[in-house]
Amino acid sequence: AQTVTQSQPEMSVQEAETVTLSCTYDTSESDYYLFWYKQPPSRQMILVIRQEAYKQQNATENRFSVNFQKAAKSFSLKISDSQLGDAAMYFCAYRSSGGATNKLIFGTGTLLAVQP
Amino acid sequence: DSGVTQTPKHLITATGQRVTLRCSPRSGDLSVYWYQQSLDQGLQFLIQYYNGEERAKGNILERFSAQQFPDLHSELNLSSLELGDSALYFCASSVDGGGLARSSFTDTQYFGPGTRLTVL
Repeated sequence: AQTVTQSQPEMSVQEAETVTLSCTYDTSESDYYLFWYKQPPSRQMILVIRQEAYKQQNATENRFSVNFQKAAKSFSLKISDSQLGDAAMYFCAYRSSGGATNKLIFGTGTLLAVQP
Repeated sequence: DSGVTQTPKHLITATGQRVTLRCSPRSGDLSVYWYQQSLDQGLQFLIQYYNGEERAKGNILERFSAQQFPDLHSELNLSSLELGDSALYFCASSVDGGGLARSSFTDTQYFGPGTRLTVL
């Protein structure tokens, strides 16, 4: 069974600085998808970024980028020029590509605080 | 706004009772997922429906059941409620139900605002 691990329960960053959130996963599959979701205090789950395992190029969405290391099974999220609105819980998630379901397997989350 | 709606937003009930949570997916989405978020279990996948049929089951208790109706809305029924069932229940929807993604748009899951269930 696949597992997702986020080893940083809490992180803090100064406004305008850069922060990296870590995620590792365990799988025997060669093809899969990885996601970062953001959960602000409103509790809404918002997709931040998506990575396909067969793509070597790291995904980027504006100030958000990932460092995808397939061999190491690592998928970290870098937030550049941090803003107060980035304060939230961030979840790393995995989904298989070969099965009949799109279900997501989530890590335990990292709570990010942004200091003004 | 993700386009996924969930009702009610909050639900307070007593142990032993039964409740129904409702979810309307985004227009055009055929797949509905239910997730439970609790302090001790984190975010867990419960069950998925695709175009009216059950597609996958996760750690869903036997006291819980779900269905997806012809208009694609879904309901999650929780019965014989226990204190430990108190949690935030999310519904998500996507176009596709599984396998290789046709595009990043068809497999992306969009989450509703959740229903907060409190069992007293």
